[in-house]
Amino acid sequence: AQKVTQAQTEISVVEKEDVTLDCVYETRDTTYYLFWYKQPPSGELVFLIRRNSFDEQNEISGRYSWNFQKSTSSFNFTITASQVVDSAVYFCALSSYNTDKLIFGTGTRLQVFP
Amino acid sequence: GAVVSQHPSRVICKSGTSVKIECRSLDFQATTMFWYRQFPKQSLMLMATSNEGSKATYEQGVEKDKFLINHASLTLSTLTVTSAHPEDSSFYICSATWVAGRAWNEQFFGPGTRLTVL
Repeated sequence: AQKVTQAQTEISVVEKEDVTLDCVYETRDTTYYLFWYKQPPSGELVFLIRRNSFDEQNEISGRYSWNFQKSTSSFNFTITASQVVDSAVYFCALSSYNTDKLIFGTGTRLQVFP
Repeated sequence: GAVVSQHPSRVICKSGTSVKIECRSLDFQATTMFWYRQFPKQSLMLMATSNEGSKATYEQGVEKDKFLINHASLTLSTLTVTSAHPEDSSFYICSATWVAGRAWNEQFFGPGTRLTVL
């Protein structure tokens, strides 16, 4: 069975702090995709990143970075120098190869205070 | 990027009535659309997958007679919540994609519809 676990329900930080959101997944597939989405208070999901299981290179995009480690089945997301606009719920998700179904984690609510 | 709209954005109805939610792909033809439900402070749960011109495939535990899905064209899918009850109050989100023989097809999400059943 596939499963995504986001153990952190809520995180609160002060602006400019770095914050890491954890994601651990379970799958028996050898080929799969991992995602991060942001859901601001408006509700609309914003796609942040997709990573396939063969690509373990870490990725950086501005203040965002992602650490994918197959050995620990983790795909963690770090926001550097957090800003109030980063306040949102962040979802990690998993999809198998050749299926478009997304399995979402329970989400982590991030609050960044000024 | 591809745009998906949903209508209405919010709806309040009385218990026992039926509510229709529309999901439209505005600038692409969506061969496949997905419907998700999100309860307050919870995750998105896939309800069903609909392919244009065929019956929707429902996830386990989702009542197909309760949640009617129609994907009659390549740009429109509708979700009808029949005889809605307060426990159906939720945030309903659709997503759309076009299948093109790739290993993975990006889903584009709509802005969601908040349903409140009194």
